[in-house]
Amino acid sequence: EPEVTQTPSHQVTQMGQEVILRCVPISNHLYFYWYRQILGQKVEFLVSFYNNEISEKSEIFDDQFSVERPDGSNFTLKIRSTKLEDSAMYFCASSPLGYEQYFGPGTRLTVT
Amino acid sequence: AQSVTQPDIHITVSEGASLELRCNYSYGATPYLFWYVQSPGQGLQLLLKYFSGDTLVQGIKGFEAEFKRSQSSFNLRKPSVHWSDAAEYFCAVGARDNQGGKLIFGQGTELSVKP
Repeated sequence: EPEVTQTPSHQVTQMGQEVILRCVPISNHLYFYWYRQILGQKVEFLVSFYNNEISEKSEIFDDQFSVERPDGSNFTLKIRSTKLEDSAMYFCASSPLGYEQYFGPGTRLTVT
Repeated sequence: AQSVTQPDIHITVSEGASLELRCNYSYGATPYLFWYVQSPGQGLQLLLKYFSGDTLVQGIKGFEAEFKRSQSSFNLRKPSVHWSDAAEYFCAVGARDNQGGKLIFGQGTELSVKP
């Protein structure tokens, strides 16, 4: 069964550094998403992406964040200058038609 | 404002006992409804979904959920819990009128299973 994959599984970075989290959505899915889950808190929406552009973003998704689908298979989330409060589990999801979403295993980001 | 409430943060049941996890939502109209499960160190796995039609929906791993419009609820049930069901369960809603839109998640309910 096709799955969303994410790399790396764990990323440790220093405050102020740039990180890129990578995702390979399920083939033929059209909608792509990033969510995050700070330890002990709800899963929060960050951004959705369709037809090669951002369709919706949350207040969390400020100028420090960007997304890209560089080659038709990968979907990346970049954080330009990480802060301590960016430490969280980041989930990528994809959806065939924009209704049910299928999630990857997550990347745990630790900012020190 | 749209919100999802899972009143129970932690539930413990005995193996073989029945299970019901509660989910209430606040939404302008009937949303799409989902239950996801997260095992330790794993991602979110879709258990079941409700879009329309029969208000009792069946999912994977023997789970079912019932949509009750009058109560704005979408409770998850399983007749007989297995030790492998120990995990965190999330209820989520999506907007019918916003194809491709975000999901809003509840806080999650952690399920422990006693032998």
